[in-house]
Amino acid sequence: DQQVKQNSPSLSVQEGRISILNCDYTNSMFDYFLWYKKYPAEGPTFLISISSIKDKNEDGRFTVFLNKSAKHLSLHIVPSQPGDSAVYFCAASARGAQKLVFGQGTRLTINP
Amino acid sequence: DSGVTQTPKHLITATGQRVTLRCSPRSGDLSVYWYQQSLDQGLQFLIQYYNGEERAKGNILERFSAQQFPDLHSELNLSSLELGDSALYFCASSVSGNTDTQYFGPGTRLTVL
Repeated sequence: DQQVKQNSPSLSVQEGRISILNCDYTNSMFDYFLWYKKYPAEGPTFLISISSIKDKNEDGRFTVFLNKSAKHLSLHIVPSQPGDSAVYFCAASARGAQKLVFGQGTRLTINP
Repeated sequence: DSGVTQTPKHLITATGQRVTLRCSPRSGDLSVYWYQQSLDQGLQFLIQYYNGEERAKGNILERFSAQQFPDLHSELNLSSLELGDSALYFCASSVSGNTDTQYFGPGTRLTVL
């Protein structure tokens, strides 16, 4: 039962352009969503989060959008930089349940 | 650097053996979580401790156990190891154990031969 899905295993973007990573979820009890970035041989690094009471949260080059009716969230990175090349995981948690449910990840490659 | 430390970084052992993975949370964090990432898999939640008490359990095998000590560090014990237990094991910590951001350690790569 894949409650959080990242349907694109990989994404390739030109340096300086916008990267858009997508995530869908099925559990309507999820109320907190996070994006993590992971380099090989390292742990996931927290990037940005959003609560279900918001539809947008911005932090520098990173913006997360939440569409509750579509059960969809996206991470926008602009402008994309070579150091952004990594695997990106979206994760969700439900009120009262502390565990994070992760998607399978999307490998982002930024081409110079 | 997330502030979460895990030891050892790598562990190679044989089937049937037992190992202990250690995690120290960020200063001030009361909650510790353990996750497993197998090859080509996402991160799977195993177990959570909050201030020394087990708070939530996920897909953790009976051969696995964990505890959180008074100084808040945590250990994950894996016994009767099988080849399929080879994976990355991550520890994360958060302030309260409720809906808040979890910060991850660098992981322990376990290889069972």
